[in-house]
Parts: sequence; C-alpha cells; structure tokens
Amino acid sequence: NAGVMQNPRHLVRRRGQEARLRCSPMKGHSHVYWYRQLPEEGLKFMVYLQKENIIDESGMPKERFSAEFPKEGPSILRIQQVVRGDSAAYFCASSPDRRSGYTFGSGTRLTVV
Amino acid sequence: EDKVVQSPLSLVVHEGDTVTLNCSYEVTNFRSLLWYKQEKKAPTFLFMLTSSGIEKKSGRLSSILDKKELFSILNITATQTGDSAVYLCAVEPNNDMRFGAGTRLTVKP
Repeated sequence: NAGVMQNPRHLVRRRGQEARLRCSPMKGHSHVYWYRQLPEEGLKFMVYLQKENIIDESGMPKERFSAEFPKEGPSILRIQQVVRGDSAAYFCASSPDRRSGYTFGSGTRLTVV
Repeated sequence: EDKVVQSPLSLVVHEGDTVTLNCSYEVTNFRSLLWYKQEKKAPTFLFMLTSSGIEKKSGRLSSILDKKELFSILNITATQTGDSAVYLCAVEPNNDMRFGAGTRLTVKP
C-alpha cells in the first residue's frame, strides 16, 4: 500500500501559467481532501471530493481554482493564471469514509515566480 | 525515507481521564514538529515544537519534544467529550511536512 501519492513534489510556475497538482488516494479510499498551507500558517481546508463529485468546496477561492476527482485516475487541483500569492504547500488527504482518519500525502510545494 | 509514526491509532477513554499520545519520527533533516487536532475537515493547529525538553502548554493540553530520542508526546488532562478528535503529528524536515496517520481519541461521557 503506497499511501497517498502527490506529484509533483515541487512545482515552479511563472505568473499567469497554470498549475496542476495530482493526488492519488490510498487504495480503497474514495474520499479526497485538499489543503493549502501558507508560510507561517496552519493547514487550510480547500475542497472535499468523492469520486466524480465535489462535496464541499467552501474553502476554495471562487476564481482560478478548480478540483476534480474522476472515476478513473487521480484527483487534480488546478490553478489557472497563478499569482505570487498562490505560492504554498498543497496537501491532499484521503480516507475510506467520512468517519475514518485521514492519511495525508507529502504535499506539493508550488512556487510562483 | 522520512517517517512519522503515531501511537496508539485509536483510544477510548472516559471523561476526566488523562491521555498521552505518542509521535516518533525519522527524518533526514528536522526543523519542527507540529500537533494538530482534526474534528471535521481542517486540522486545527495545536503546538509547534522545535527545541528539546521545553514543554508547551495550552489549557489542559501540553506537549514536549525529545530530539535525542526522536519523539514527542501530547498530553491531555481531565479529558472532555469535546476532546474527541483525530490528533495529527507532523514533522517538517525541510520545506515539506510529513504527517503521521493520527490517533483517533474518543472521550465517552
């Protein structure tokens, strides 16, 4: 069991480019959560997805950010037209259901230059 | 390979009990160790520890780090039902964060 896999580990983008962050949940986990951690701050919830459905996106910025979790393949967090303020570590977590604990990935560190 | 191991994985106690949660780690480079409480979605930050032997306290919660033995403990005294949550330990080796699997604490009335 490989755990929650996030890639890439580090991503550098120029302002205005698109960033795609991938998260493959643990085997058997159908719930995926994305978090953002800004420097000097704790984890901030962004979005909660189940297969093919967005359950809660209350933590997602209204513009430029989107997430999906297709029937096949990893969950994708997409940030369009990145700005410097998007620079952060983005963590994905998965769980088999809503009552179980989360398993976190190692994160993707996005740097916008 | 960096590793963060929490124990126990789950714990059931009664109100008023004292609990100790454990976190051991192996990382190539250590910056800090953090404890989070997670009740629903977003984990809530509890403590950041960087130095050995210095206890951090917040109300009924306290935590201490041992950098020689590579572990930390989180103590909760006089537990309440509101303490029921998953407690996450995370280690920052460089710019990344490695999380443990968490300890699910259930406090029964």
